[in-house]
Amino acid sequence: SQQGEEDPQALSIQEGENATMNCSYKTSINNLQWYRQNSGRGLVHLILIRSNEREKHSGRLRVTLDTSKKSSSLLITASRAADTASYFCATDDSNYQLIWGAGTKLIIKP
Amino acid sequence: DAGITQSPRHKVTETGTPVTLRCHQTENHRYMYWYRQDPGHGLRLIHYSYGVKDTDKGEVSDGYSVSRSKTEDFLLTLESATSSQTSVYFCAISDLPPSANYGYTFGSGTRLTVV
Repeated sequence: SQQGEEDPQALSIQEGENATMNCSYKTSINNLQWYRQNSGRGLVHLILIRSNEREKHSGRLRVTLDTSKKSSSLLITASRAADTASYFCATDDSNYQLIWGAGTKLIIKP
Repeated sequence: DAGITQSPRHKVTETGTPVTLRCHQTENHRYMYWYRQDPGHGLRLIHYSYGVKDTDKGEVSDGYSVSRSKTEDFLLTLESATSSQTSVYFCAISDLPPSANYGYTFGSGTRLTVV
């Protein structure tokens, strides 16, 4: 079953612009994670934010977490063509698993 | 991806035949996972392992079995392949469970086509 739901499903922006994608989830969590998947490749872990954190940065990535709204956002600043990929959020559950959303497909236009 | 390899990378098989996919890790991680990825469904967990000989079912385990006889290898077997099992299969590893604030490392995937 899917816990996280990303929004939008697809996003197309110009190179240099900022990209924001959102994730909502249903149950209480210990952490929320974001992953990137380039076409035809495996997923790559980008960033993890703990439930007691509200914001976290990693390079051009900024993640926020609002546990009261059960939502998170991933901001990619100054986008590049290489950021073209699908982005997934995932949350932990009590059974050693991550629960995944369906992903946001990001296209950066040159 | 460093430390985790999947084999084969591509396979075409006939309906009704058994198929085994292999995930091999050199990270000595305790947890291993098999997922399938299909358009419109995201990642769906098939089976996972939390130690040698310790495995459990995920949400789409019907028609699949797994074995983990040693830390480094996690095998996924399609007992009698069907066209609905045409998919891309990913293996993931983790040293700690996700609740311990630990992420996954993924393999590059196996593209399986059942004809």
